[in-house]
Amino acid sequence: GQQLNQSPQSMFIQEGEDVSMNCTSSSIFNTWLWYKQDPGEGPVLLIALYKAGELTSNGRLTAQFGITRKDSFLNISASIPSDVGIYFCAGHRGGSQGNLIFGKGTKLSVKP
Amino acid sequence: NAGVMQNPRHLVRRRGQEARLRCSPMKGHSHVYWYRQLPEEGLKFMVYLQKENIIDESGMPKERFSAEFPKEGPSILRIQQVVRGDSAAYFCASSQDRVNEQFFGPGTRLTVL
Repeated sequence: GQQLNQSPQSMFIQEGEDVSMNCTSSSIFNTWLWYKQDPGEGPVLLIALYKAGELTSNGRLTAQFGITRKDSFLNISASIPSDVGIYFCAGHRGGSQGNLIFGKGTKLSVKP
Repeated sequence: NAGVMQNPRHLVRRRGQEARLRCSPMKGHSHVYWYRQLPEEGLKFMVYLQKENIIDESGMPKERFSAEFPKEGPSILRIQQVVRGDSAAYFCASSQDRVNEQFFGPGTRLTVL
């Protein structure tokens, strides 16, 4: 089945740094969502985007729905230790289809 | 706790046994979805249900897997005659009206010995 291309696969952060990650697809989506997953837990919805070009913030998180509908990015400003985890993008094609299509995730770790 | 509930959180089965995973959606949500996650992977869609109906099962393996969402009670994902390759985390999600805004439960980690 199709998957979204999410990058980077992993990154190390130092407290206070800004972080950027993105997701691309070969086909169009009507909705983009960003989730965070902590070890042993389920994904938690961070931001949902519904319109091409839409820019939405949730605290220190900002996400954009690409104008072509084939990509999205997530920025985290002034990172803090509790930001570590795995971030997933997910796309929905629209209509009554139930399935979200997920990227493989970006793993955020703290710089040693 | 008004979130999606799943139980058990961990399940160990021997090859050939049956696994039953339960999911109670958020209050007021009538759409339920099941996903499977292998280590280091994203979630893969399995099935989408509304009360007493399977809407989309395009991600379900053809054999041994079944799902239901009865009028009363939780949604059940059932895996018969489990094999080692079924070991994974299984997540349930629910939504209210918008099928694109899905909220996930904590998952059931299935280990097949």
